[in-house]
Amino acid sequence: DVKVTQSSRYLVKRTGEKVFLECVQDMDHENMFWYRQDPGLGLRLIYFSYDVKMKEKGDIPEGYSVSREKKERFSLILESASTNQTSMYLCADSGTPGVYTFGSGTRLTVV
Amino acid sequence: KQEVTQIPAALSVPEGENLVLNCSFTDSAIYNLQWFRQDPGKGLTSLLLIQSSQREQTSGRLNASLDKSSGRSTLYIAASQPGDSATYLCAVRQSGSARQLTFGSGTQLTVLP
Repeated sequence: DVKVTQSSRYLVKRTGEKVFLECVQDMDHENMFWYRQDPGLGLRLIYFSYDVKMKEKGDIPEGYSVSREKKERFSLILESASTNQTSMYLCADSGTPGVYTFGSGTRLTVV
Repeated sequence: KQEVTQIPAALSVPEGENLVLNCSFTDSAIYNLQWFRQDPGKGLTSLLLIQSSQREQTSGRLNASLDKSSGRSTLYIAASQPGDSATYLCAVRQSGSARQLTFGSGTQLTVLP
């Protein structure tokens, strides 16, 4: 089975800090995704990548960037964290067409 | 733009009941539909995947159906147990080059002992 690992379960950061959220998958899959989940708003796509160094904006990319230097790792970067980026961040990958596997999530609090 | 709706938002049932969760989507040009389970504070666990050419999928006590033309899917849970308590999310992937999923807002299920 595919394993998607997010490096941190909980993070607390200060406003203005640069924040890195890391996600690693172990199956050499091409597609990886970053979502955020907020009460009342559901899951919203931030960015996704379909290959090394390839990325596309999702529905809410503002304030975020991503990096994919190696196929197994997809990083989400908050350039200057703000309190409205407090959220649950979920990474996913997709290998076999349409089969998505999610990580366990990172609960980020920006104070 | 695809929109996915799940009704009801919350459901509470006594243990042992059979229940149905509903999912509807506005654009029938989907590649597949997936049902997920999410426990509080955790990530999503995939339950069932239905390809657009399929009508239903079964796994244990779970059965998911898909009626693409009417834009509906149901998740049937037989003989519910307290351990089934969680939020259930459906998500669709569009046909064509899109790779991402569009999610519904979920149904929060509580199974009472």
